[in-house]
Amino acid sequence: EAGVTQFPSHSVIEKGQTVTLRCDPISGHDNLYWYRRVMGKEIKFLLHFVKESKQDESGMPNNRFLAERTGGTYSTLKVQPAELEDSGVYFCASSPRVYEQYFGPGTRLTVT
Amino acid sequence: GENVEQHPSTLSVQEGDSAVIKCTYSDSASNYFPWYKQELGKGPQLIIDIRSNVGEKKDQRIAVTLNKTAKHFSLHITETQPEDSAVYFCAASLPGGYQKVTFGTGTKLQVIP
Repeated sequence: EAGVTQFPSHSVIEKGQTVTLRCDPISGHDNLYWYRRVMGKEIKFLLHFVKESKQDESGMPNNRFLAERTGGTYSTLKVQPAELEDSGVYFCASSPRVYEQYFGPGTRLTVT
Repeated sequence: GENVEQHPSTLSVQEGDSAVIKCTYSDSASNYFPWYKQELGKGPQLIIDIRSNVGEKKDQRIAVTLNKTAKHFSLHITETQPEDSAVYFCAASLPGGYQKVTFGTGTKLQVIP
C-alpha cells in the first residue's frame, strides 16, 4: 500500500510569490490533515478535511493560506502571497478513522 | 486549547543504555497520547500510543507511561540502538469525533555506538 505522498519535497520562492503544495493521502482515507513545523518548534495543526469538507480550519494562520480537497481525494495548500514567516516544513497526514494518522514526508518551504 | 511541553530537546545516550523523554499536557480532558518518530527526510511515524484509561503500554523495547493526575506522560526506550537515533514527538488529543493532535517541540535522540 502506498503511503502519503507530498509534492514538491522542497520549494524555494521569493517573498510575495505564490506556492501550491500537494498531498495525496492513502487511498480510502477520508480524513486528511495539514500541519506545519517552523524553525524547530512544535508541529502545529493547520486544518482537517473529512472527504472534501473542511472539518476544522482553526489552525490556518491567515487568509493567505487556502486549502482545498477536490473530490475528497488529493489536497492542495496554496500560500499567496508568501511571507518570510511562512518558511517551514508542511506535513500532510491521512487517517481512515479517529487515531492512526499516517504522515507524508513533508514539503520544506523556504521563502527568501 | 491544549498545550504540550516536551523535555529534553536533545538527548545523547550510549548504545545499550535507556532513554527517557518526558511530556506534560495542560488540558485534563485529553484522552489520547501518541508518540511519533521522525527520521531524517521522512515524516513522523507513529511508534506507540496510549489512551487515558491505561497507565502503561509496552511494545518490545519501547514503553509509554501516563500519569493522568499529574498530566505527565513519558516514552522509555530500552537497550537503545543506533537506528533509534531520530527526533521524537509526543502529542495529545482531546476527545471528540475527530483527532486534532497537539504536538510537543520534539526531542532529538542520538544513540552513540
